[in-house]
Amino acid sequence: ETGVTQSPTHLIKTRGQQVTLRCSSQSGHNTVSWYQQALGQGPQFIFQYYREEENGRGNFPPRFSGLQFPNYSSELNVNALELDDSALYLCASSLVAGGGVETQYFGPGTRLLVL
Amino acid sequence: GENVEQHPSTLSVQEGDSAVIKCTYSDSASNYFPWYKQELGKRPQLIIDIRSNVGEKKDQRIAVTLNKTAKHFSLHITETQPEDSAVYFCAALNTDKLIFGTGTRLQVFP
Repeated sequence: ETGVTQSPTHLIKTRGQQVTLRCSSQSGHNTVSWYQQALGQGPQFIFQYYREEENGRGNFPPRFSGLQFPNYSSELNVNALELDDSALYLCASSLVAGGGVETQYFGPGTRLLVL
Repeated sequence: GENVEQHPSTLSVQEGDSAVIKCTYSDSASNYFPWYKQELGKRPQLIIDIRSNVGEKKDQRIAVTLNKTAKHFSLHITETQPEDSAVYFCAALNTDKLIFGTGTRLQVFP
């Protein structure tokens, strides 16, 4: 297993509510990427955080936002939840150093259900 | 932007046979190609990866090949076992983001 952890494991919300998901990166890693995986599909890139700054974003609306903290852990916030936001949310941590290509290791995910 | 296509969507093999999954990508700037295995309800687990300066990589029963000219890469699993049954995703790294294929559900029958 990787050293990447996520909380909570499961969450049920209603439309219009807001949610915060958390990710602790693997020791020694400085970058966190967030992905949304709908049932039966591949993960879709939401955004990446490096040195506490957003470093790339996929095709997700601004109501998806994030933070990275000095210890490299990260949060994903989703406002005004919609039914289609129901999915498995995965974070992946990696070490970016010297411009090299980094391997991403996934956490166990948070399964979000929006009713 | 980058687009990754993956085939087949499902693959059934007899235990001991080989399995091959193929992916194509669109952006020649992509430079890293990992493969992940995802069992039901679990996280994607990295099983093998290849960088754009390498044509082939092998790890025991698993191998990956990359053809940069044709922009395609393939996963080869030999001597398949029932525990290889899972969904397999290919991905391409493009400007720091992983773009995933749509997945292949592999079933290995005893």
